[in-house]
Amino acid sequence: EPEVTQTPSHQVTQMGQEVILRCVPISNHLYFYWYRQILGQKVEFLVSFYNNEISEKSEIFDDQFSVERPDGSNFTLKIRSTKLEDSAMYFCASIAVGAYGYTFGSGTRLTVV
Amino acid sequence: DAKTTQPTSMDCAEGRAANLPCNHSTISGNEYVYWYRQIHSQGPQYIIHGLKNNETNEMASLIITEDRKSSTLILPHATLRDTAVYYCIVVRLISNTGKLIFGQGTTLQVKP
Repeated sequence: EPEVTQTPSHQVTQMGQEVILRCVPISNHLYFYWYRQILGQKVEFLVSFYNNEISEKSEIFDDQFSVERPDGSNFTLKIRSTKLEDSAMYFCASIAVGAYGYTFGSGTRLTVV
Repeated sequence: DAKTTQPTSMDCAEGRAANLPCNHSTISGNEYVYWYRQIHSQGPQYIIHGLKNNETNEMASLIITEDRKSSTLILPHATLRDTAVYYCIVVRLISNTGKLIFGQGTTLQVKP
């Protein structure tokens, strides 16, 4: 069964550093998403991306965040200057045109120290 | 998107049916009911969705009341691997871009 692949599975970074989380969505999917889950809390929507542009973003997704699809396969989330409160699991998801259920990746655990 | 209300936790005996309720009394006519689950800290997994008719797939059945204000997810023969947090989410789909608003969900514990 096709999977959404996320790398790395765990990243530790110093506060103030830039991080890039990587995702390889399923190949025929055209809609891409990032969600995050702070430990013990709800899964929260960050951003949706379609046709090489952001279609919707939450209030969490401020100027410190950006997304990019640099080539035909990768979808990245960049955090420019990480804060302690950015520590969370970050999930990438994708969905095909005409489909109804998102496929989520297994997540990247980001720890900011 | 309409809000949903789910019990915080439920137990189920292995091999028995697990019936997970969800209230969505403010649901609109163009909103779907989706169910996802999250096993431990893995990414959420799509289970099933419906608009107004009952639905069944290889994983579960979804029963939606006639007034659409509530629904029940049924796992017909629960196994230990079904232990997870189950989320009922109401989504207004616009060309597949409907974002998912997760609540706290129901933690289902399947016991031997």
